[in-house]
Amino acid sequence: EVQLVQSGAEVKKPGESLKISCKGSGYSFTIYRIVWVRQMPGKGLEWMGIISPGDSETRYSPSFQGQVTISADKSINTAYLQWSRLEASDTAMYYCARLGEFVRAFDIWGQGTMVTVSS
Amino acid sequence: EIVLTQSPATLSLSPGERATLSCRASQSVSSYLAWYQQKPGQAPRLLIFDASNRATGIPARFSGSGSGTDFTLTISSLEPEDFAVYYCQQRSNWQYTFGQGTKLEIK
Repeated sequence: EVQLVQSGAEVKKPGESLKISCKGSGYSFTIYRIVWVRQMPGKGLEWMGIISPGDSETRYSPSFQGQVTISADKSINTAYLQWSRLEASDTAMYYCARLGEFVRAFDIWGQGTMVTVSS
Repeated sequence: EIVLTQSPATLSLSPGERATLSCRASQSVSSYLAWYQQKPGQAPRLLIFDASNRATGIPARFSGSGSGTDFTLTISSLEPEDFAVYYCQQRSNWQYTFGQGTKLEIK
C-alpha cells in the first residue's frame, strides 16, 4: 500500500525548535516530490514548499521562505519540516503529500501532524 | 503569485441535486488545475487533476472542466458523503496555490 505516515502531534513553547517527519512507503520514494501544506485552525490549505527527495532540490512558497526548512533523508524514505524558533502563529495542522508523476497533483496525503505552540 | 478565487463560499443543496463549484485564476494556468475534497478531521483527497481527469477510485458523478482561467467541478447527483469542503489548486513555475475553498452543506 502506498502511504505517507507523519509523526505525532506536538505541543511546544514559543521560541522552541521543532522537526516533524513524513515517511513514505509502498513506492519508490526518490522518484516523487513531497510537498508540505499548512492548515490553520478553521482555515484553508496553504502550500509551503516542495522537495525532490532524490537530490534534495527544494522550492518554497514566498510566504514561507526563511520561516521553515524542508529536507529529506532518502536512505530512510523520510521528508522533514522544521522550525528553528516557533511562534504562536505556527499553530496548525501540517500535511505532507506526494506529487504524482503522471497525475500532476497531490495524489497521496499523510494523516497530518498537529502542532500547537503555546506558552 | 497566481490567486485562485472559488465561488460560492458556501453552497447549500439537498442529496440528489446537482452541484456546480467554480474556480477562477488570476492568470492562465493552462490545464494545471486540481480539485480536492476535505471532510472534517481528515486529510484532503484528490478528486480531479489536469482540470478534467478523475483520480483513481473517484466516482463518475464527479467531473471537472475548464482551461485557462475558469474551471468548474460538477457533482451530478449529490450523495450524503459528498458534503464537505472542496479546494481547487494550481501549479505554475513550481509554485502552487490553493483556492480558499467552497463548503458544500446539506440544505
